[in-house]
Amino acid sequence: GDSVTQMEGPVTLSEEAFLTINCTYTATGYPSLFWYVQYPGEGLQLLLKATKADDKGSNKGFEATYRKETTSFHLEKGSVQVSDSAVYFCALSDYNFNKFYFGSGTKLNVKP
Amino acid sequence: SQTIHQWPATLVQPVGSPLSLECTVEGTSNPNLYWYRQAAGRGLQLLFYSVGIGQISSEVPQNLSASRPQDRQFILSSKKLLLSDSGFYLCAWMEAGGQPQHFGDGTRLSIL
Repeated sequence: GDSVTQMEGPVTLSEEAFLTINCTYTATGYPSLFWYVQYPGEGLQLLLKATKADDKGSNKGFEATYRKETTSFHLEKGSVQVSDSAVYFCALSDYNFNKFYFGSGTKLNVKP
Repeated sequence: SQTIHQWPATLVQPVGSPLSLECTVEGTSNPNLYWYRQAAGRGLQLLFYSVGIGQISSEVPQNLSASRPQDRQFILSSKKLLLSDSGFYLCAWMEAGGQPQHFGDGTRLSIL
């Protein structure tokens, strides 16, 4: 079945460091891929998305490219800020678009 | 624009008591609706989803149930809560066709 695997955290970085959070997926058909962010005590917010191979999603300095050949959707940011500290979830929507599959989440701590 | 409301924000209930969490969506018609549970420090577990009024799909066996009495209303219920039902419950909606899911602010449920 469909699934998402993302790197375990926590990831601790200093402010202005480069961020990569790895995400790989298994899916039938052609899923859409998403990154969500969750701040403490809140729901999930959509960060970015990509709907087909080679698409690049971007938002707030974060980027991720839909790589069909490696079944990956890694999240990157060139210079993180303390305010980026949160839990990040990679997700895919299945071929029939009725269900989402979420990774287990990666907690990011950014220190000043 | 579309909005999702979920309440209550926090709830403390004794073991064996009933539960009713409500979620409503505004600004859209016939959305797909979802209930997730997130244990502390963990990922999201899909509990139920609905693609229309009266249509409920259950993902995991448990003592919870869901109902969709109106197009944009989704209710999570239990007749008798267990300690293991503690967690952060998230409601989400999605338009059909591979669009992102949008989440409510969540309900933190503590069972004593």
